[in-house]
Amino acid sequence: AQSVTQPDIHITVSEGASLELRCNYSYGATPYLFWYVQSPGQGLQLLLKYFSGDTLVQGIKGFEAEFKRSQSSFNLRKPSVHWSDAAEYFCAVDISGGYNKLIFGAGTRLAVHP
Amino acid sequence: GAGVSQSPSNKVTEKGKDVELRCDPISGHTALYWYRQSLGQGLEFLIYFQGNSAPDKSGLPSDRFSAERTGGSVSTLTIQRTQQEDSAVYLCASGQQQETQYFGPGTRLLVL
Repeated sequence: AQSVTQPDIHITVSEGASLELRCNYSYGATPYLFWYVQSPGQGLQLLLKYFSGDTLVQGIKGFEAEFKRSQSSFNLRKPSVHWSDAAEYFCAVDISGGYNKLIFGAGTRLAVHP
Repeated sequence: GAGVSQSPSNKVTEKGKDVELRCDPISGHTALYWYRQSLGQGLEFLIYFQGNSAPDKSGLPSDRFSAERTGGSVSTLTIQRTQQEDSAVYLCASGQQQETQYFGPGTRLLVL
């Protein structure tokens, strides 16, 4: 069955610390993968996406993610977290071969301590 | 330019009533999606419109849910005989085929 798992429901980091949010997917074909961020009271915003090619993709706000086919993972990273990064982060996989029908993970809520 | 807009932003209704949620996509976008975000849950795909093709309704949870898209633009999601478990944030997104989809702010539905 197609699914996306985000093992960490909540993560707390100190401002300036590095961050890694985990995402594992289950999908039989070549995955198109996404990370979205949802800030309080805001809509979902696309951080980055992987379709093909270089397995390390760069996104907005200093985020990057690495696709590892052997581990069925697409973890999100940031070297130095800012207080404004506090939000909920969703990983998603496209199950329609590029037509944007997405399955989302349950999300990881990030808190940032000063 | 204008993004995806949704109305109302909040809706409180009584169990058993029908509700209509509206989505205005970004002008020119041919694809339109509806998702549901229940408390503490990820987003759940509901339905997908692409141009004039028949919509993909595979995510609709029951026959109480329906959606239409008039003139290839505005979409309405209708929930008949609402139940308490329908309480959620309903998100609409639009995009061009195989391009990034952009999400609206959502409609928060509370069924009492």
